[in-house]
Amino acid sequence: DTGVSQDPRHKITKRGQNVTFRCDPISEHNRLYWYRQTLGQGPEFLTYFQNEAQLEKSRLLSDRFSAERPKGSFSTLEIQRTEQGDSAMYLCASSLRRVLGTDTQYFGPGTRLTVL
Amino acid sequence: GEDVEQSLFLSVREGDSSVINCTYTDSSSTYLYWYKQEPGAGLQLLTYIFSNMDMKQDQRLTVLLNKKDKHLSLRIADTQTGDSAIYFCAESEIKAAGNKLTFGGGTRVLVKP
Repeated sequence: DTGVSQDPRHKITKRGQNVTFRCDPISEHNRLYWYRQTLGQGPEFLTYFQNEAQLEKSRLLSDRFSAERPKGSFSTLEIQRTEQGDSAMYLCASSLRRVLGTDTQYFGPGTRLTVL
Repeated sequence: GEDVEQSLFLSVREGDSSVINCTYTDSSSTYLYWYKQEPGAGLQLLTYIFSNMDMKQDQRLTVLLNKKDKHLSLRIADTQTGDSAIYFCAESEIKAAGNKLTFGGGTRVLVKP
């Protein structure tokens, strides 16, 4: 198992362009989370999926953001009409939901977005 | 809502112990985590503790939890230069529908030779 992977690792775009990021979770994990981390801050929750169902979205996720997990495996996060304030590291994490106990989240390396 | 606070910076000499502190506000049953982040990288899970425990030890790492004061600490014994990184405390309220993490702002640890 190679862990959580994210692609691309870096993305530079011009304001107003659309961007899409991909996350491949650990293979048997049924939960997938997206977080955003701005410089000097801790990560902030954006949204999460259990299998293919998107079960919770943060207020941070404006209508320019959309996330999908069509087959319950990989996920994509799209940002439309990017703004300079969208510049951040976008982190994906996956976990295995158990009946009891925590579902420990394992993070990918992140995609760093720079909006010019 | 949940809030997690950490001190910003810690400097320590190689071989000494490091203690990183964190306070949280959620009073419900929860898991508390420590993650490590090196420059330009994602988060590496170090350890976690459930809120009904007082202490957990894992090799060089010791986690202490004071539930009354909602204070969590991470002690790293025999700190090495490779321990230089940003350390994040996070809490997760146990819910049936997802255990999203609420992170502190991170403590930057600098290990001096």
